[in-house]
Amino acid sequence: DADVTQTPRNRITKTGKRIMLECSQTKGHDRMYWYRQDPGLGLRLIYYSFDVKDINKGEISDGYSVSRQAQAKFSLSLESAIPNQTALYFCATSDPGLVTDTQYFGPGTRLTVL
Amino acid sequence: GESVGLHLPTLSVQEGDNSIINCAYSNSASDYFIWYKQESGKGPQFIIDIRSNMDKRQGQRVTVLLNKTVKHLSLQIAATQPGDSAVYFCAENYNAGNMLTFGGGTRLMVKP
Repeated sequence: DADVTQTPRNRITKTGKRIMLECSQTKGHDRMYWYRQDPGLGLRLIYYSFDVKDINKGEISDGYSVSRQAQAKFSLSLESAIPNQTALYFCATSDPGLVTDTQYFGPGTRLTVL
Repeated sequence: GESVGLHLPTLSVQEGDNSIINCAYSNSASDYFIWYKQESGKGPQFIIDIRSNMDKRQGQRVTVLLNKTVKHLSLQIAATQPGDSAVYFCAENYNAGNMLTFGGGTRLMVKP
């Protein structure tokens, strides 16, 4: 979805390096999410934010941190990258209704940690 | 949704045939379900959703069926086309304040 952009799209780094992945959205949504996807597995939630002052840990937050700089921006950091963090990373946004909370995804960042 | 580990189940269909992709969800309290399509190298794309007060919903060439008795969701694609080749996965949610839970996905391969 062009309304949700991620940079970089691909990154190769070495063990121990600090990496930041960035996400921007023009949908005007308050909620933003970071997921990782490993081959053959579903999406696993790393962190999420319901507004600029709200940060919550997801299922697999260890080794990651996030920053919600503005409504439109949500960045994910790997403080000291390790090889098992090699994965596809997706950012998503949502604007929940009374029942529904459809998430819209960015194109992903492929991260390789050597 | 159910995790299927390292190997995605694969559905192979002939172009023009109908496809049915299934999903068993885990939470009987879930009241909202979404089907996503993920093409190679791209992010998941919303296809269709359904609330738990419905058992069927139709979109363009797609139909979602919900069977709450057995916690089963299916996506039917009519007249499958090569462009439908992708991984499809379901997601479930119970009330808008909670997170979506994603299934592991099914790979659809369309043979010309």
